[in-house]
Amino acid sequence: KAGVTQTPRYLIKTRGQQVTLSCSPISGHRSVSWYQQTPGQGLQFLFEYFSETQRNKGNFPGRFSGRQFSNSRSEMNVSTLELGDSALYLCASRKDGTPYEQYFGPGTRLTVT
Amino acid sequence: SQQGEEDPQALSIQEGENATMNCSYKTSINNLQWYRQNSGRGLVHLILIRSNEREKHSGRLRVTLDTSKKSSSLLITASRAADTASYFCATRQNYGGATNKLIFGTGTLLAVQP
Repeated sequence: KAGVTQTPRYLIKTRGQQVTLSCSPISGHRSVSWYQQTPGQGLQFLFEYFSETQRNKGNFPGRFSGRQFSNSRSEMNVSTLELGDSALYLCASRKDGTPYEQYFGPGTRLTVT
Repeated sequence: SQQGEEDPQALSIQEGENATMNCSYKTSINNLQWYRQNSGRGLVHLILIRSNEREKHSGRLRVTLDTSKKSSSLLITASRAADTASYFCATRQNYGGATNKLIFGTGTLLAVQP
C-alpha cells in the first residue's frame, strides 16, 4: 500500500507570492492533518480535515487555508508569503477506527526568499 | 505554549548502549505517542500508550507514562547507528470530541556513534 505522498517536495517562493501544497493520504484514510515544522517553533498543528470538512484549526493567520476533496486528497494554501513561512510542511493521514496513530508524508520544504 | 518539553535536547551515545529520553506535557491527555524523524524527513510512528497504561513495549522500545506527573519516557535498548534521528512525543488532548490534533514536544536529537 502506498504511503502518504506530498507534492512538491521542495519549493522556493518569493515574499508576497502564494503557494499551494498537495497531500494524497493512504488509500482508505479519510482524515488528513497538516503540520508546520520550523527550528524555532517546532511542530505545530495547522488544520485537520475529515470527509471534506475542516474539523480543527491551529493558531495560524488567515493566510493559511486548506481544503479536502471527495477522494480525501488535501491541499493547503498560503497567501502573501512571508519569510517566516519557510518551513517543512507535513501532512498526515489516519484510518478510521485505529488508535490515533498518524502516518506522515515526507513533507514539502518551502523556502521563502 | 501548549507544546510539551523533551529532555535532553540532544543525546550522543555509543552503539549498543541504551538511550533514554523524557517528555513532559501540560494538559490531560487521551494518549501519548512517540515518533521518529530522520533528518528533515517525515515522522514515523513508533509506539502509542493510552492514558490508562503505565508501560508498553515494542521490540527494543519501552515507553512509560506517569499521568500524575504528566511525563513519559522512551527507552531504546541496544541502540544502533540506524537509530540516529530526532524523537518526538505527541499528545492527543482529551477534548472529548472527534479530533486528531497532536501536540508535539520539542524533540530529542539522538546520535548513535558506531
